[in-house]
This record gives sequence, C-alpha cells and structure tokens, in this order.
Amino acid sequence: QVQLVQSGSELKKPGASVKVSCKASGYTFTSYAMNWVRQAPGQGLEWMGWINTNTGNPTYAQGFTGRFVFSLDTSVSTAYLQISSLKAEDTAVYYCARTERDNWNDADWFDPWGQGTLVTVSS
Amino acid sequence: SSELTQDPAVSVALGQTVRITCQGDSLRSYYASWYQQKPGQAPVLVIYGKNNRPSGIPDRFSGSSSGNTASLTITGAQAEDEADYYCNSRDSSGNHRVFGTGTKVTVL
Repeated sequence: QVQLVQSGSELKKPGASVKVSCKASGYTFTSYAMNWVRQAPGQGLEWMGWINTNTGNPTYAQGFTGRFVFSLDTSVSTAYLQISSLKAEDTAVYYCARTERDNWNDADWFDPWGQGTLVTVSS
Repeated sequence: SSELTQDPAVSVALGQTVRITCQGDSLRSYYASWYQQKPGQAPVLVIYGKNNRPSGIPDRFSGSSSGNTASLTITGAQAEDEADYYCNSRDSSGNHRVFGTGTKVTVL
C-alpha cells in the first residue's frame, strides 16, 4: 500500500541542524510531488512548501526560506527536510504529505501523510 | 488574501448534523480539500475535489462549495468524529498552498 514513513524524534540544541527523512513506498516516487507541513505545539497546520520529485526543484512558502531546505534521494524514494540554525520556535511536528492531483478537474490534495517527526529544540 | 478562515470550534449532538465552513478568496477559483486530525495523530484526508471521499471514509462526510466558502458536512455525527478539521487549498496565485485555521469539533 502507499505509505510514507518518517524518521524518529529529534532533540537538538539551538544553533544545530536537523535532517528529517520521509521514505515513500507503494508507488512511483518521482510521479508525485512531496509537501512538508509544520505543526507547532497546540497550533494548526502550516504548509511549508513542496518539492518536485521529478526535477528536484523546491518551492518554499513565505517564512520558510533560508534555513529550510528540501531535497531528495530518488534511488531510495526518500524526501528530506533539513533545518539549519535551529531556534526554539522550530519546535514542532513536521509532516511530509504526497500531492495527489486530478488534472481533469484541476484539483489536488494531500494523501497520504507521514506519521510526523517531532523536532524539539532546547538547550 | 491568501488566508482561509474557519470557526475555531463547533459542537454537535450525537447523531445530528454539523457543517464546518472555510472562507477565503482563493476558494472562488480552487477546490478545497479537508483533513481530520485526532490528538497525537497525523491528518487524514476526508474530502477532496468537488465532493469526493477516499476509500474508508464514511459517507456521512460530504463537501460543497459556494462563492468564497467551502463546507464540510457531517450528517449523523458519531463520537469518533470528534477531532480537529482543516481545509486546504491553493492561494490566490495558484502557486502555493494554504491551510485553514482549523475547527475543533466536539460531539456531545
């Protein structure tokens, strides 16, 4: 079945970097875009951007430029989110989610989602 | 505006009907999708496109849209429907995505 499995929780100190992985299975990885979504503690969902898994071209939402980098390793069907110069406010659960698209009706949506990766930034 | 606005919380009696709305300018041009999130769990897609349910989603969930407002209706709400619900769509440029502010549904 189509599945996204993310790496485990991380505890990092301010100023450090973290790399979260999202391994896809059950479908052709390069045929569907991958999104990243942040959820801070007790807060809503925030779309961070997406990466074209065919070309590797990333698109970042406002507020997620500079310290955030999306990348791929297509040989292992895995997408990555790297965050550098971590701050306490980066503490959140990070989700990957595949874009599904209906070109005929010009509709798209996120399915499935990874299970989430908790990144905690604390000294 | 690139924002999608939802009511923070709604309550519904067991077996009754509740409608959750999502307002934003971009909804005049683009479909919304809807996600259910229970505490400690990843979001799950419940409605996409005009009014489509993924396999496994009960038919008590339905979607509609009019003007700048998309709606998710739960007809005959069950205890297991208690969760946070988020809409998502493209922003006005069509190049980015945006989530709604989220609605907490309580089943009484």
